This record gives sequence, C-alpha cells and structure tokens, in this order.
Amino acid sequence: QVQLVESGGGLVKPGGSLRLSCAASGFTFSDYYMSWIRQAPGKGLEWVSYISSSGSTIYYADSVKGRFTISRDNAKNSLYLQMNSLRAEDTAVYYCARLFPLGPDYWGQGTLVTVSS
Amino acid sequence: SYELTQPPSVSVSPGQTARITCSGDALPKKYPYWYQQKSGQAPVLVIYEDSKRPSGIPERFSGSSSGTMATLTISGAQVEDEADYYCYSTDSSGNHRGVFGGGTKLTVL
Repeated sequence: QVQLVESGGGLVKPGGSLRLSCAASGFTFSDYYMSWIRQAPGKGLEWVSYISSSGSTIYYADSVKGRFTISRDNAKNSLYLQMNSLRAEDTAVYYCARLFPLGPDYWGQGTLVTVSS
Repeated sequence: SYELTQPPSVSVSPGQTARITCSGDALPKKYPYWYQQKSGQAPVLVIYEDSKRPSGIPERFSGSSSGTMATLTISGAQVEDEADYYCYSTDSSGNHRGVFGGGTKLTVL
C-alpha cells in the first residue's frame, strides 16, 4: 500500500533552516509528481510546492518562493523540502503528498515545524 | 492570486443530506478535488476530478459542478462524517499551482 513518511521537523529559531524528508513506498515513486502542503495550527491547508516526476518542473507558492527548495531523489524514493530564512508564520504541520494526476491523492501523516525564539 | 471560497460551516442532522459548496473562477476548466480531515489526522481524498470517488470511500459521497461552483454532497450524513472538508484545484495559468479553499466544518448532530 502507498505510504508516505515525513521526517525532519522540529523547533528552529527565526532565520534558521530545516530540511524535511519524505520517504515513499508502495508505488513507483519516479512515475508521480509530488507536493508539499502545510497547515498552520488551527488553520486551513496551504499548498506550498510541487515537483514533476523527473524533477524538471517545479513551482512554489509566493509565500515561500526564494526561501524554500523542493527536490527529489528517485533512486532513494525520497522527496525533500529545504527551508531557509524561516519565519514565525512558517510554523505548521508539513505534509508530503502524491499527486494524481494534478491533485493530492495520498498524504503522509505530517511533520511539525515550529519557528520560535 | 486565485482563490476558492467555501462556507465556514454547515450543519445537518444524521440522515440528512449535507451540501458543501466551493466557488472559483477557474473551476469550469479545472476539476476540483475534495478532502475530509478529521481532528488530528491527515486529509483523506473523498472526491477527485469533480465527481470520481476513490476506492473505499462510501457511495454517500458525491461531487458535481456547475459553472464556477462545485458541490460536495453527502447523502444521508452520518455522525462519523463530522469533519473539516476542503476543496482543491489548480489555477488557470497553466502552471498547475495548487490552491485550497478555506475549509468547511461539517457538524452532524
């Protein structure tokens, strides 16, 4: 069965960096676009970024453009999100999700990122 | 920026039909997806590409669209359907950037 497991969340100070990982299993990872989606505490879902199956096409939400970098390693069945210059408003649960075909169909359980001094 | 608009809350009694709407200018061209999120859990896909239901989702969940409005219908809502529901689509610019509606809290009591 499809499984997505995020890791790498934690507490970081404003201006700091964090790298999230998502380990995928149960499907042919290299065939699918993937996405990161976040949810601030008590708030709704916010699309963050997506990456095409080969990694050649990438888009970001305006709120993270220039600070976050999405990438993938198809040999390792893994998705990543490098987050730099973190702000308090980046505090959220971050989910990785498989896209089928243009919307998320499977989601991980999420990893919490807290940006606070 | 592109937006999807949902009502903040909908309330029905068990067995009644719940309808949750989602409006957006690009919806006539971009099939909406619908997600159910129960407290403390990850979202679950309940409808994709406007009206398709993933395996394992009860038949009481259905989706439809007309013009710039999409509707998630839960026929004979159950207490266990109480959750937040989000619509999702991509913008019309061709770059497939995703956008979620603000979410609708469905209360069944």
